[in-house]
Amino acid sequence: GQNIDQPTEMTATEGAIVQINCTYQTSGFNGLFWYQQHAGEAPTFLSYNVLDGLEEKGRFSSFLSRSKGYSYLLLKELQMKDSASYLCAVRDDKIIFGKGTRLHILP
Amino acid sequence: GAGVSQSPRYKVAKRGQDVALRCDPISGHVSLFWYQQALGQGPEFLTYFQNEAQLDKSGLPSDRFFAERPEGSVSTLKIQRTQQEDSAVYLCASSLARTAEAFFGQGTRLTVV
Repeated sequence: GQNIDQPTEMTATEGAIVQINCTYQTSGFNGLFWYQQHAGEAPTFLSYNVLDGLEEKGRFSSFLSRSKGYSYLLLKELQMKDSASYLCAVRDDKIIFGKGTRLHILP
Repeated sequence: GAGVSQSPRYKVAKRGQDVALRCDPISGHVSLFWYQQALGQGPEFLTYFQNEAQLDKSGLPSDRFFAERPEGSVSTLKIQRTQQEDSAVYLCASSLARTAEAFFGQGTRLTVV
């Protein structure tokens, strides 16, 4: 079966660092994605990991361990505009999403 | 086009009515996905096309849901005899290749009354 788990909600402070974890069990694997979704808007692509290790892109980094079925998204220097839902997704042929982590940023 | 385009953006249907939702993917994108998203939830997979071939329709919730992509470009998701539980945002996404990221349209918000 397909299963993607991530925390439902997290809270962090402006300027701080937050790590959002994702574990997955899927029948196939062709990569793991992180998307950001603001309320009422479409998901927007953040990162893509297909090999183990850390991918850094500005304030956002994403890590993958295929042997552990584990990924995290690291957000640094948090800004109020980072308040959104963060979706972990795995692709075999189709792309399957987790339920998303709602991140609240406090001033 | 520049991005994935979905129409209509909003649709109100009376229970029992048939609806058709359109998705225009990014030009040249081979893969096309449909998702259903309820409020506060992640997108739930409905179906997936590679060109005109529907490779996976395991997520369609009932036989009232039907999707097609006859020429490997524009896709239509049809819902027959709509029910209140069909109320959701329907998202379409496309990607260039099997291992590429998917880009989403703005979605169609369907409300069944």
